[in-house]
Amino acid sequence: SQTIHQWPATLVQPVGSPLSLECTVEGTSNPNLYWYRQAAGRGLQLLFYSVGIGQISSEVPQNLSASRPQDRQFILSSKKLLLSDSGFYLCAWSLRTRAFFGQGTRLTVV
Amino acid sequence: DAKTTQPNSMESNEEEPVHLPCNHSTISGTDYIHWYRQLPSQGPEYVIHGLTSNVNNRMASLAIAEDRKSSTLILHRATLRDAAVYYCILRPANAGNMLTFGGGTRLMVKP
Repeated sequence: SQTIHQWPATLVQPVGSPLSLECTVEGTSNPNLYWYRQAAGRGLQLLFYSVGIGQISSEVPQNLSASRPQDRQFILSSKKLLLSDSGFYLCAWSLRTRAFFGQGTRLTVV
Repeated sequence: DAKTTQPNSMESNEEEPVHLPCNHSTISGTDYIHWYRQLPSQGPEYVIHGLTSNVNNRMASLAIAEDRKSSTLILHRATLRDAAVYYCILRPANAGNMLTFGGGTRLMVKP
């Protein structure tokens, strides 16, 4: 069966520090991969999606970037975090009809 | 992108049916209607989806209006574990499976 791993579960980072969140999927090939962010008390905002290795589409301009170095690995990065980057970050994958989400990373920028 | 409109919140009593409405008056002919729910501090989970006909699965039923401009997610017997935010989403058939989330409906279940 397919599983999605996302880590870490929680993260506290100072303003200006770099960020790297990793997401891996098991049990499937060539999935579509997504990064979402949810600010406190708000809805989910699609940040990036990828349909293949090295193919990244950005939905929202920001100081974040994403990379897909391998078929089932999706990485969200930042060179310098802002306070406004705090939120709940979710990785997801899909093949045909439905999407499957990871458990999320709660990022607090202090 | 076609948009959906849902009530911000709803309340239900435990073990009673719940009908969660969703309006999508600008839906196109190839848009699928998806429902996801998000429990507190978790990622969303798939509930059900349909195109034109009503759908049933072990979690819920989806009733789709004949003109497809609205749909209703039906939980047949609400439990405390069903308390969550429920999202109604339109997914175009050629959108690469992107899901664009709206505000959703926060369902509160009273014992």
